[in-house]
Amino acid sequence: AQTVTQSQPEMSVQEAETVTLSCTYDTSESDYYLFWYKQPPSRQMILVIRQEAYKQQNATENRFSVNFQKAAKSFSLKISDSQLGDAAMYFCAYRSAYYTGANSKLTFGKGITLSVRP
Amino acid sequence: NAGVTQTPKFQVLKTGQSMTLQCAQDMNHEYMSWYRQDPGMGLRLIHYSVGAGITDQGEVPNGYNVSRSTTEDFPLRLLSAAPSQTSVYFCASSYFRTGPQETQYFGPGTRLLVL
Repeated sequence: AQTVTQSQPEMSVQEAETVTLSCTYDTSESDYYLFWYKQPPSRQMILVIRQEAYKQQNATENRFSVNFQKAAKSFSLKISDSQLGDAAMYFCAYRSAYYTGANSKLTFGKGITLSVRP
Repeated sequence: NAGVTQTPKFQVLKTGQSMTLQCAQDMNHEYMSWYRQDPGMGLRLIHYSVGAGITDQGEVPNGYNVSRSTTEDFPLRLLSAAPSQTSVYFCASSYFRTGPQETQYFGPGTRLLVL
């Protein structure tokens, strides 16, 4: 079974600064997807960024980028030029690329609460 | 497209009552699932479906029933509510065989309080 670990429950960043959120995972599979979801106070789950395990290149989406280290099973999220609207809970998640019904679920970490100081 | 919709947004139940949480999607996704979110636990899978008429259990299925009579709808039934079922419930959907399968789209959530 796959596991996802987010060991920091809370982080804080100054507005306009850069922050990195850590995530590690454990799997025996070679092909999978990794995600970062943002959950603001509205509770809506918003997809921030997605990484395919077979791709060497790290994914980027505007101010958000990842550092994907497949051998180390590490998947951190970097937020540049932090904004007040980035304050939220962030979840790291894993999904197998071997699509059976049971494998199609998302496995989530416990989340990290990010606060942004003005 | 409305995406994934859930009703109600918030519900208070008494212990022993039953209720159905509704979930619908208009993206023709085969895969639909229910998660519950509890503080410090992340989201955990309750039940899932890979198409109409096909459902299966996830990690925490006890106390919940599902059925899938259409591609669009995937209701979650609480048979006899217990305080341990106080949680936020999310429905999610994705393609399974007919399109890009990797991304799941979430509904806005239903907050349930069982007294």
